[in-house]
Amino acid sequence: QKEVEQNSGPLSVPEGAIASLNCTYSDRGSQSFFWYRQYSGKSPELIMFIYSNGDKEDGRFTAQLNKASQYVSLLIRDSQPSDSATYLCALMKTSYDKVIFGPGTSLSVIP
Amino acid sequence: SAVISQKPSRDICQRGTSLTIQCQVDSQVTMMFWYRQQPGQSLTLIATANQGSEATYESGFVIDKFPISRPNLTFSTLTVSNMSPEDSSIYLCSVSTGVSQPQHFGDGTRLSIL
Repeated sequence: QKEVEQNSGPLSVPEGAIASLNCTYSDRGSQSFFWYRQYSGKSPELIMFIYSNGDKEDGRFTAQLNKASQYVSLLIRDSQPSDSATYLCALMKTSYDKVIFGPGTSLSVIP
Repeated sequence: SAVISQKPSRDICQRGTSLTIQCQVDSQVTMMFWYRQQPGQSLTLIATANQGSEATYESGFVIDKFPISRPNLTFSTLTVSNMSPEDSSIYLCSVSTGVSQPQHFGDGTRLSIL
């Protein structure tokens, strides 16, 4: 089992809809979770991080963490064509550990 | 967040040569990392650049091929040595201000080997 798994997509949603991106992980002890957005030809950009169970909201983005079920998700409300990108889920097992990146999910927002 | 400058942004190199990539941060950071991202793939950690000591390499990466320096808390270099076409990739520098803190990435170096 891979340490971080994501559906590769592409995930297509209409403009204005909610995009839901999911990520599961294998190590139950993982502590810190990150979502990065990567536009084609660009470097990854941090958009959310979450450390505790529950929801964390920032503008149109909500990160959800469920450690018991070992998944973390990213919801994008009112999706815009500019949200079209690859979204990378990443985690850190412990405070002093390296960050492990998932394979990424490609999102396409259709006008 | 810190401003991270990575040079060169891209290069085309001949087989067997070496290229040094620089990463400069506008403020002191605790952690600096080097990643490789091959076309259509996710990020693979090459090594953690340690200030004042040898870098910590991940499995599959060795110092002779990817020597790394980090002379201070704002600067690091990655050298890709004796390059082959398989080294064609994007190389990314990232920084973190402390343990458990998110990493932020430079713009990357797109490297092509002929």
